[in-house]
Order: sequence, then structure tokens, then C-alpha cells
Amino acid sequence: QQQVKQSPQSLIVQKGGISIINCAYENTAFDYFPWYQQFPGKGPALLIAIRPDVSEKKEGRFTISFNKSAKQFSLHIMDSQPGDSATYFCAASIGSGSARQLTFGSGTQLTVLP
Amino acid sequence: DAGITQSPRYKITETGRQVTLMCHQTWSHSYMFWYRQDLGHGLRLIYYSAAADITDKGEVPDGYVVSRSKTENFPLTLESATRSQTSVYFCASSHYGVNEKLFFGSGTQLSVL
Repeated sequence: QQQVKQSPQSLIVQKGGISIINCAYENTAFDYFPWYQQFPGKGPALLIAIRPDVSEKKEGRFTISFNKSAKQFSLHIMDSQPGDSATYFCAASIGSGSARQLTFGSGTQLTVLP
Repeated sequence: DAGITQSPRYKITETGRQVTLMCHQTWSHSYMFWYRQDLGHGLRLIYYSAAADITDKGEVPDGYVVSRSKTENFPLTLESATRSQTSVYFCASSHYGVNEKLFFGSGTQLSVL
């Protein structure tokens, strides 16, 4: 019930292409869906986030698409660049007040070829 | 420098030894978190704290102890290290909890031999 399933595990894209990473969840009580980006040797950093009352959110080349009925959300990276090569984690949060917790997907290692 | 810092960066220890990982933040964030990162599992929450002297268990708390006597510090102790605790440990902080940006440290890579 608390799981967030992420796919693919790894992804190789040519420069200029579109990278798509998918996540699925079961628990409809999840109500906040962030994506974190992690470069080697660094901690994750928030990239973009969405709430379930919105079907899409775009920030620059990064877009989250959210399908509430399918319980799925995805990250699209347009015009992918070698500098986007990193590990991407989707996540979902649930709970109230100080007990709210974030559940992460297993991560996708993205490689953008020059 | 302001931010969140973890120490040590790398640690090798033996099974059965006690190990403490340190985390310090300079923003006076209320919330602090400890996650472990393992291949195939993403990041899993070990413990979190909503304020000084308030801590609570996460998904994988067994074998770990935390304390938070000061807002800025949140040490994680492995009381008797086991090989299964070999992992990369990340500390994070935020002002209002997980529904806003979490600021992560650079991690501690721990190997238990």
C-alpha cells in the first residue's frame, strides 16, 4: 500500500531526445508527488513536484504528467542534455501533520549521450 | 558555510561496533530526517524529527538510535553494526516537513565488514 513503483531502472537517451520515467502507486491517500534528481556523490535535490488536483506541471524542460484515475505519474525531460545524466527518484507523501512521510521509488539512472 | 553537513564522508567499521553518523544544519529547520540508500530500494526513511526532543520511527528503524537535543544536530547511531547496514546514509532537513523541498546532505558511505 505504501509502495511507489518506478520504471525503468536505467535509461539511455540521445542528446536532444525525450526522457520519460514512470511511477505508479496503489494508495490513493498519497497527495504530494515530488521528483528528486541526484548526481553521483551528491544528495538528492528537489526537481519538480505536483499535487493530485493538477494533471500536468511544467518547469522549463521538465514536466510532470499526473493520471489520478490510473494512479500513475511520470517525468518528461524534453531536449535531454548530457548534464541531465543523473539518478531520478519519484516519491509520494502521505500522512497528517508531523507524521507525514515521503516514500521514494527505486530510482532511474538516466544517461544522455552527447 | 550555511547548509547541511554530514560527517564522516566515508566510514569502515566491523560488525558489532557502535557507529555514530553526524548531521548538522544551519537553517534552523524544524524537521530532520535520516534515509538510507540501497540499490533497488531507493531511499528509505530510518528516523525523523519534527523538532528538538521529538523523534519518530520511519520505515526501517531497527538497529538504529537517534537523538535531537539541539535543533541543528541529528546524530544517527548504529548500536551494534551489522553487514546489512552497509549503505549510503543521507540526512535531510526542511522547515515544514516532506511536502516542501527537502535539503539533503552529501551522504555518508558506511561499510560494515
